Amino acid sequence: DVKVTQSSRYLVKRTGEKVFLECVQDMDHENMFWYRQDPGLGLRLIYFSYDVKMKEKGDIPEGYSVSREKKERFSLILESASTNQTSMYLCASSLTGPGFGNIQYFGAGTRLSVL
Amino acid sequence: KNQVEQSPQSLIILEGKNCTLQCNYTVSPFSNLRWYKQDTGRGPVSLTIMTFSENTKSNGRYTATLDADTKQSSLHITASQLSDSASYICVVRKTGGSYIPTFGRGTSLIVHP
Repeated sequence: DVKVTQSSRYLVKRTGEKVFLECVQDMDHENMFWYRQDPGLGLRLIYFSYDVKMKEKGDIPEGYSVSREKKERFSLILESASTNQTSMYLCASSLTGPGFGNIQYFGAGTRLSVL
Repeated sequence: KNQVEQSPQSLIILEGKNCTLQCNYTVSPFSNLRWYKQDTGRGPVSLTIMTFSENTKSNGRYTATLDADTKQSSLHITASQLSDSASYICVVRKTGGSYIPTFGRGTSLIVHP
């Protein structure tokens, strides 16, 4: 069964802290994504990675960085957390290649609160 | 800019009733359209996918339609159940090997007993 696992369901951090959100997939997918989801705004792409050590900025990369040292793991880093980064963070993975679909499989999400 | 617009933003219906959610898109060139269901506090899960040549596709009580000419899709839910309460997200992908799909903002459906 397909599985994308995010390390924490709920996280509370203080302003200025460095925050790590971890995501692991067991499907040998090339692509991995980090989104944030806010009420009324839908899912917005922060960063994605199409291969190990490769990363591309999404729509809202400011204040975030990512790391992909192994194919199965994609980490989102908040270098200095701010209150406006309070949100639901969703990780996803997908295959690359022709054909329709390239379905994205999502993790359960991490609800981050920055106080 | 490529966009995906969903309506209504929210919907409340009684258990057992039918409902239809709408998705209009301007993403081009079009490859496929997918509907996701997202339960509260969970990640989205794929319901259906439709390509350019498909008009209708069903998954149990969920039926998706696609009109590629008018760039519109709908998701029809028949005989709604309490477990249908969720956010439904329309996602459109371009051709050309793009890794990045375009997400709508979702329709929040509440089914009351």
